[in-house]
Amino acid sequence: DAGVTQSPTHLIKTRGQQVTLRCSPKSGHDTVSWYQQALGQGPQFIFQYYEEEERQRGNFPDRFSGHQFPNYSSELNVNALLLGDSALYLCASSLGFTVGEKLFFGSGTQLSVL
Amino acid sequence: AQSVTQLGSHVSVSEGALVLLRCNYSSSVPPYLFWYVQYPNQGLQLLLKYTTGATLVKGINGFEAEFKKSETSFHLTKPSAHMSDAAEYFCAVSASSNDYKLSFGAGTTVTVRA
Repeated sequence: DAGVTQSPTHLIKTRGQQVTLRCSPKSGHDTVSWYQQALGQGPQFIFQYYEEEERQRGNFPDRFSGHQFPNYSSELNVNALLLGDSALYLCASSLGFTVGEKLFFGSGTQLSVL
Repeated sequence: AQSVTQLGSHVSVSEGALVLLRCNYSSSVPPYLFWYVQYPNQGLQLLLKYTTGATLVKGINGFEAEFKKSETSFHLTKPSAHMSDAAEYFCAVSASSNDYKLSFGAGTTVTVRA
């Protein structure tokens, strides 16, 4: 049983570019959340998707957008990249969107913006 | 708004010694509390969670945590450290069953001395 898979594992971009990160949830899970983890910090919530809709959003600018597909996989898009967007981006999946449901995290995509 | 403070960014213990990681939270409502562990180059893994009921919560790998409302704390302990416990540990809080995002602390890195 595959867990949460994210691609790519590493990515290097330059300022102003756009990036798309991908996530496949654990089998049987229907909810996907995205977190940004800057170096030396805890993860920060970006947004959560359920039934192909954004259910909740953290304090991130509109440059950060997402999508969930009918097969529950998800994409995170970041436009107009800034140096400060360099971070580990984590995807987490769960069954349902009630808090307390066990979140399963992927290993993340390490994004470096030069 | 809810937040988490982890006291001590680094903790060093001897193998076989007590592991104590401190977490204090602020929340305007009774919180849901979590501890996650992150091994190098891996995603976060849930150690334990408190939602309701018994305030002493047992998790995986011999860890446990106690919810103390009067102290707004949720400290993590393990009686006897093992070399495999070397990792980064994150405390997280969610405000209610309608707030699906987790707010994480900055993390505590644990090193275990032989």
